[in-house]
Amino acid sequence: DVKVTQSSRYLVKRTGEKVFLECVQDMDHENMFWYRQDPGLGLRLIYFSYDVKMKEKGDIPEGYSVSREKKERFSLILESASTNQTSMYLCASSDTSGSPYEQFFGPGTRLTVL
Amino acid sequence: GEDVEQSLFLSVREGDSSVINCTYTDSSSTYLYWYKQEPGAGLQLLTYIFSNMDMKQDQRLTVLLNKKDKHLSLRIADTQTGDSAIYFCAEMFNAGKSTFGDGTTLTVKP
Repeated sequence: DVKVTQSSRYLVKRTGEKVFLECVQDMDHENMFWYRQDPGLGLRLIYFSYDVKMKEKGDIPEGYSVSREKKERFSLILESASTNQTSMYLCASSDTSGSPYEQFFGPGTRLTVL
Repeated sequence: GEDVEQSLFLSVREGDSSVINCTYTDSSSTYLYWYKQEPGAGLQLLTYIFSNMDMKQDQRLTVLLNKKDKHLSLRIADTQTGDSAIYFCAEMFNAGKSTFGDGTTLTVKP
């Protein structure tokens, strides 16, 4: 059974803290993604990675960075958390071979920044 | 740039059909998807259609694609309370990366 796991379901941090969100997939997928989900705004892509140590900016990368040292793990880093980064964060992965190239999602991390 | 639009809310009665609509802008999309998100969970692929198809049927689900108008719809027949969820339309225009709509919250009333 394919699986994408995220390190925390709920997280509460203070303004200015450095925050790490971890995502692990067990499907040997090349692509991994970080989104944030806000009411009325849908899913917005923050960063994605198509290979180890490779990363590309998505639509809203400001205030975030990522790390992919191993194929199965993709980390999202908030260098200095701010209240406007309070959101649901979703990680996903997908394969580059074999249609329909669907994305498999983790359960999400609800981050609150006080 | 790429953009996918959906209405935000739909309410139906149990047993009725639900139709969720979506418009997209990138004519080079190769796949179009419908994902379902249940409360407290991540998204899960519900169905998809390849861009050279007009229709796809899968049990209670019917997907219609109008490429000329860049319009995609999802019809759920005999809607049940368990179908209450957020439904996301998405398009893929290169291997792996997709653009998602804002999601339509479907509420099914008994």
